[in-house]
Amino acid sequence: KNQVEQSPQSLIILEGKNCTLQCNYTVSPFSNLRWYKQDTGRGPVSLTIMTFSENTKSNGRYTATLDADTKQSSLHITASQLSDSASYICVVSGGGNNRLAFGKGNQVVVIP
Amino acid sequence: NAGVTQTPKFQVLKTGQSMTLQCAQDMNHEYMSWYRQDPGMGLRLIHYSVGAGITDQGEVPNGYNVSRSTTEDFPLRLLSAAPSQTSVYFCASSYSNSGEQYFGPGTRLTVT
Repeated sequence: KNQVEQSPQSLIILEGKNCTLQCNYTVSPFSNLRWYKQDTGRGPVSLTIMTFSENTKSNGRYTATLDADTKQSSLHITASQLSDSASYICVVSGGGNNRLAFGKGNQVVVIP
Repeated sequence: NAGVTQTPKFQVLKTGQSMTLQCAQDMNHEYMSWYRQDPGMGLRLIHYSVGAGITDQGEVPNGYNVSRSTTEDFPLRLLSAAPSQTSVYFCASSYSNSGEQYFGPGTRLTVT
């Protein structure tokens, strides 16, 4: 059973609009949660990394939130641009050995 | 800094052939990992290393060997390629096992 579930699997949004991606996890104990952006044909690039005590963290137009009690995180993209078209991967570190658990990614397509 | 580099970028092998995927990093990171990424699946850990001379198996190690003779290099060897090893392979490094991971650009491998 995958310890990190992301939704929606894919979505299409109009340029300039906002969107929110969801990540639910069961990893315990929890160490940190990361969001990565992966452009087609490239390696993942870190957007944010949050520990237990952090509720929100921003990186430009990207804002991640974390609710460690409900084991949920979200990534909000504000005023989307064509360059935001990518897969967004939620990764949770923990499980006692700090092994990383990867979600399958949210595929976002921004259209003009 | 070049970050994490991988060679080759593309490779086609015949079943039974062997080859080595190269990975190098210039950030003096102790932790290095190899992942494979397949359609519809999250990144899966093949092997990892916590420092020169120390390696361990990840989630899907069968058919792959690694060694870590220096801090900078972490090659992945395919002993006898099989079509099931057709995938995109990513190398990653980090300062610690809970720290931010930096990914290479990937190697797209096709086994026929």
